[in-house]
Amino acid sequence: RKEVEQDPGPFNVPEGATVAFNCTYSNSASQSFFWYRQDCRKEPKLLMSVYSSGNEDGRFTAQLNRASQYISLLIRDSKLSDSATYLCVVIDGGFKTIFGAGTRLFVKA
Amino acid sequence: NAGVTQTPKFRILKIGQSMTLQCAQDMNHNYMYWYRQDPGMGLKLIYYSVGAGITDKGEVPNGYNVSRSTTEDFPLRLELAAPSQTSVYFCASSSSYSNQPQHFGDGTRLSIL
Repeated sequence: RKEVEQDPGPFNVPEGATVAFNCTYSNSASQSFFWYRQDCRKEPKLLMSVYSSGNEDGRFTAQLNRASQYISLLIRDSKLSDSATYLCVVIDGGFKTIFGAGTRLFVKA
Repeated sequence: NAGVTQTPKFRILKIGQSMTLQCAQDMNHNYMYWYRQDPGMGLKLIYYSVGAGITDKGEVPNGYNVSRSTTEDFPLRLELAAPSQTSVYFCASSSSYSNQPQHFGDGTRLSIL
């Protein structure tokens, strides 16, 4: 089993749609969780941290379920500019950072 | 707001040549990393460093070497370039405080012909 698993997609959605991505992780002792965004041929950029109580940043909502060992990202009112690959990132402790392979999102007009 | 700076941005090498990819950060981060990303694939960790003078292998270290003589710089050396090393290389850094996210440079696109 991979340490961090994501549905590779692609997810094809129309503008204005709501889309959700899930990510599972294998180490129950994992401590920190993040979502990154990567545009084609660009570097990954931190989108948001994921907190135990769940957190929201504008149209983006992140949730953590420690019992089931998954995190999620919800994007509401999708924009064309949201088209990108979304990376789930888990930190096991200290500096060991594990990146998921990413989920591709295409938002269509 | 320099953050993590990588040079060069693009390079074409011939098989068997060597080169050094430069990475510098100005955030006083102790942790630094080198990744490669092949087309359509995820990030693979090549080497990482937890501080000046300390480096360790990641998932795919073969064919590469690193050094960390200062906190700011973490160069990646390719010896005897091979076509399989054609990739995009990303350098990243993070704070020594635990559980902090990594910040990436904008990458070096390397082709070996």
